[in-house]
Order: sequence, then C-alpha cells, then structure tokens
Amino acid sequence: GAVVSQHPSWVICKSGTSVKIECRSLDFQATTMFWYRQFPKQSLMLMATSNEGSKATYEQGVEKDKFLINHASLTLSTLTVTSAHPEDSSFYICSARAPGTIAFLNEQFFGPGTRLTVL
Amino acid sequence: KQEVTQIPAALSVPEGENLVLNCSFTDSAIYNLQWFRQDPGKGLTSLLLIQSSQREQTSGRLNASLDKSSGRSTLYIAASQPGDSATYLCAVRDVGAQKLVFGQGTRLTINP
Repeated sequence: GAVVSQHPSWVICKSGTSVKIECRSLDFQATTMFWYRQFPKQSLMLMATSNEGSKATYEQGVEKDKFLINHASLTLSTLTVTSAHPEDSSFYICSARAPGTIAFLNEQFFGPGTRLTVL
Repeated sequence: KQEVTQIPAALSVPEGENLVLNCSFTDSAIYNLQWFRQDPGKGLTSLLLIQSSQREQTSGRLNASLDKSSGRSTLYIAASQPGDSATYLCAVRDVGAQKLVFGQGTRLTINP
C-alpha cells in the first residue's frame, strides 16, 4: 500500500504555544487529505477535510481558528494547533486519499499519528 | 445520516481459530468500504477495500465480504495468530461524499 508520513511522531509543549504537524503522502499525489483526532479507547473523530489549493472544510464543533490547516501541495498538508491548552492533548492522525486509478482505487491511507501533550 | 456499527466491541479467541468480525451500515448508497487495523498508539493500516460493485476481497488470511443491499460487511480472519491482535475498524464512504464514516471498532485479542 501507499505510505503517508507524519512529523513529529510526538511533541510536548507548554500551554499557550503553537504546534505544527506535517502530513506527507510519499508515493502518490493526494488532492484530498483529512485530519482526525482520537481520544484513548475511542474511534477517530474527523476534524477537517482539506483539498489542495483551497480552504479546509471543518466538521461541526471544530474551531477553524484554533486548528489551522494548510494543504499547499499535492503531497503536503499541515495542521497547526494555535495557543495550545491541556485539553488539546490528543492523538492526531492524518489521512490522504489516493487517486482513482486502477492501482489505488481512491483508497484512503493513514499516517502513523502524532501524540500531542500540552503541559 | 450514515451510521456504522461493529459487533462485537471486543473479542478474545485462542490462537488458530477462524473468526468473523461484523460491520453494518444504515445507508446502502455507498461508494466503497474499507477495513483497517489499528495497533495501540499507532495509525491505521488499510487491510482491504471493497468497491460498491464488488462482493468480496481477499488478502492472505483475510477475506472481506460486502452485501450492500442488507448493509453488511464481514471480515473473516483464518488461522488467527497472536500478531493479529489489534483493533479492527470498518469505514464506509458514501456516494458523493468525501469522508469516511467509521464504526467504533472491534478489539481483537488472540491468545497463544
């Protein structure tokens, strides 16, 4: 399957600082990327859908000014958690949708996740 | 609104057994369905993708079936191994939609 990477894999920051998480599709171009948040022992919660070159579409209840998403190229999307607070501590996972070709069939691939801890 | 349910929430079986995980969805107008596994503290690994026009997909010891009309999919794992222990997630993509709708997952434990 295709590979999606995330960086960093974990980050610890002080309350009030901003943290940027990168998501890259390594062997395919992704016109659509997704950002999820996962709490312990729970399923994934979609935060936003990001299309290359346009503004992200946020799910209801997700603050777009707090979780800034940029999808500047077909292989890179970034999530910036601005003015982070302890309640933002979570596991953030990105995903990229592969092209609708015979090889990929629009399959969605996930990154390894980023563990954010805000002190 | 599409809803995806996975039963059971947790399953523990001895090594070597064949097992079936269930997934049901409320709206049959789906584009595709994916099965994933997630290990603790890790991201999701895509196991199988079934297009809406397909009935099943196979990969190694895994076989996923799809019955769109009844809103059901099953993931069959043959000759289970301790390394199969993980949480298995089912997700559907509706026709015309961008996002996947996930079930809550089945936490599988294979006992040596």
